[in-house]
Amino acid sequence: EDKVVQSPLSLVVHEGDTVTLNCSYEVTNFRSLLWYKQEKKAPTFLFMLTSSGIEKKSGRLSSILDKKELFSILNITATQTGDSAVYLCAVSDQTGANNLFFGTGTRLTVIP
Amino acid sequence: DTAVSQTPKYLVTQMGNDKSIKCEQNLGHDTMYWYKQDSKKFLKIMFSYNNKELIINETVPNRFSPKSPDKAHLNLHINSLELGDSAVYFCASSQVGNTQYFGPGTRLTVL
Repeated sequence: EDKVVQSPLSLVVHEGDTVTLNCSYEVTNFRSLLWYKQEKKAPTFLFMLTSSGIEKKSGRLSSILDKKELFSILNITATQTGDSAVYLCAVSDQTGANNLFFGTGTRLTVIP
Repeated sequence: DTAVSQTPKYLVTQMGNDKSIKCEQNLGHDTMYWYKQDSKKFLKIMFSYNNKELIINETVPNRFSPKSPDKAHLNLHINSLELGDSAVYFCASSQVGNTQYFGPGTRLTVL
């Protein structure tokens, strides 16, 4: 069965710190890996990664995929209290359904 | 101009009842999904629906049935509700192979 494992499960940091969130996966016929941020409502899309070694960046957030070692990291630099959320990693496979298989998420808390 | 919308936002009902949750997307996507997020925040796919092809996660009880009147709508009907059905249900949509965009969720509480 396809599996996505995120670590750590939770993390508390101070504003200004840099954090690295991890996601490892086992999926048959990998298509893509996605990162979402979930605050109180719906997951909001951050990145989609399909190729190894190519960093995707958006402001203070960046992410990279290693398809050989089957993992991805999400980095957040100069964290702010607004970064507090659950960060979800998901992978999709090559089936026509394009279903996403989610990890359990990393709960990040940024304290002032 | 909401992209993916769901109604209702909250649903409180008694065990044994039948209820529906509606989902609409105005993104022109051809695939829609339903996910269940349990109390531990774990999101799990329930269904995907693409061009009238329904793919069901085999772990979903047959009390759950998706209904798609057209490409922009995928409603979720639940029969004989049970306590364990309490969760947040998210609808999502995408073009095949592309990013999925989620609706705001429906929090279902079964008493």
